[in-house]
Amino acid sequence: TQLLEQSPQFLSIQEGENLTVYCNSSSVFSSLQWYRQEPGEGPVLLVTVVTGGEVKKLKRLTFQFGDARKDSSLHITAAQPGDTGLYLCASRIISSGSARQLTFGSGTQLTVLP
Amino acid sequence: EAQVTQNPRYLITVTGKKLTVTCSQNMNHEYMSWYRQDPGLGLRQIYYSMNVEVTDKGDVPEGYKVSRKEKRNFPLILESPSPNQTSLYFCASSLSGYFPGYTFGSGTRLTVV
Repeated sequence: TQLLEQSPQFLSIQEGENLTVYCNSSSVFSSLQWYRQEPGEGPVLLVTVVTGGEVKKLKRLTFQFGDARKDSSLHITAAQPGDTGLYLCASRIISSGSARQLTFGSGTQLTVLP
Repeated sequence: EAQVTQNPRYLITVTGKKLTVTCSQNMNHEYMSWYRQDPGLGLRQIYYSMNVEVTDKGDVPEGYKVSRKEKRNFPLILESPSPNQTSLYFCASSLSGYFPGYTFGSGTRLTVV
């Protein structure tokens, strides 16, 4: 059972479209990180959100942390082929038994077609 | 350049033949961690280390060993590899274990036949 549920699992869109992917848990997050992984490479950290209700922007990417700190979303405006990759959310889950463990969701595989 | 370096990138081995995947970081990070990535299962932590000589099990430690004799190095050892350890492996390091996030290596694709 995944502690972090990501949806959708796969998403294929045309260049220029907008999209939103989600990360949810039944547990409360202390904070949450989003990573992007490109084929053949390791994940790269995009952002960390800490406060419930927080919104962070990174160029065309908007990250939102739910008020109750149990969910997060990533919105991409005017997607480009360079946005293609696996988007992963990650957090320290209180119930995992160790605050030092970083638990990942299974990811959303995004493909942006030219 | 700040980075985590894993070797080898690709490895095919036979069941039972001991192997070591090396990992080195040049950022003076305290925390280092090993993950395996499998389709449908995502990234799962194998072992992590909070400092030299301090290691602890992650979610899937069975069949793996680690050591942290130096701050920069964190090798992953498979004493007797089995086919179910065929996977994509990532080493990662972090200044403090969570903030400001982990830096990942480029991965090692291991196939055990």
